[in-house]
Amino acid sequence: GQQLNQSPQSMFIQEGEDVSMNCTSSSIFNTWLWYKQDPGEGPVLLIALYKAGELTSNGRLTAQFGITRKDSFLNISASIPSDVGIYFCAGQAGGSNYKLTFGKGTLLTVNP
Amino acid sequence: DADVTQTPRNRITKTGKRIMLECSQTKGHDRMYWYRQDPGLGLRLIYYSFDVKDINKGEISDGYSVSRQAQAKFSLSLESAIPNQTALYFCATSDGQVGANVLTFGAGSRLTVL
Repeated sequence: GQQLNQSPQSMFIQEGEDVSMNCTSSSIFNTWLWYKQDPGEGPVLLIALYKAGELTSNGRLTAQFGITRKDSFLNISASIPSDVGIYFCAGQAGGSNYKLTFGKGTLLTVNP
Repeated sequence: DADVTQTPRNRITKTGKRIMLECSQTKGHDRMYWYRQDPGLGLRLIYYSFDVKDINKGEISDGYSVSRQAQAKFSLSLESAIPNQTALYFCATSDGQVGANVLTFGAGSRLTVL
């Protein structure tokens, strides 16, 4: 089946630093999604990408849909303590069922 | 009120007990899902349903069953719970529009099997 490799697994940064994380796939996806999970809560959608090469921002967050359609990147600028959480990428290959494949997540810790 | 509500939020049970986790949604979505989250393993799909009469196994359905009682309700059952089913369980919904399958998640149900 399809697999997503998400890296890094965890990050420890200082407040104010920029953060980058990425996901790569062995197969092509038609949609890339980035979710954030706060402690004790369910994942919440941050950014959705629908076209190869697309670059989309949501406040301090920027995500890109890779040209090969096999990867995606999420950048967070000027991190703040509330950015703490687990970030998940998810890919959708299209077809008739539209199931999502999730990465294993990146745990972000921001030190004030 | 939350768009996707899961009950219970926390449950501790013993090996061999039957457990039901319930999910209800107010988003009017046709599609509902159950995921399991384990540390370092991300989210894995247990079962999904595209409408009331449609039930499909996900990647880790063994030991679980589901019931889609109505468009808004989708429950997950563990007929005989075992310790390795200790995990955080999430219900999710989507509207299934062509070109996107954006999921809305509930807050999760933490299950501990002793």
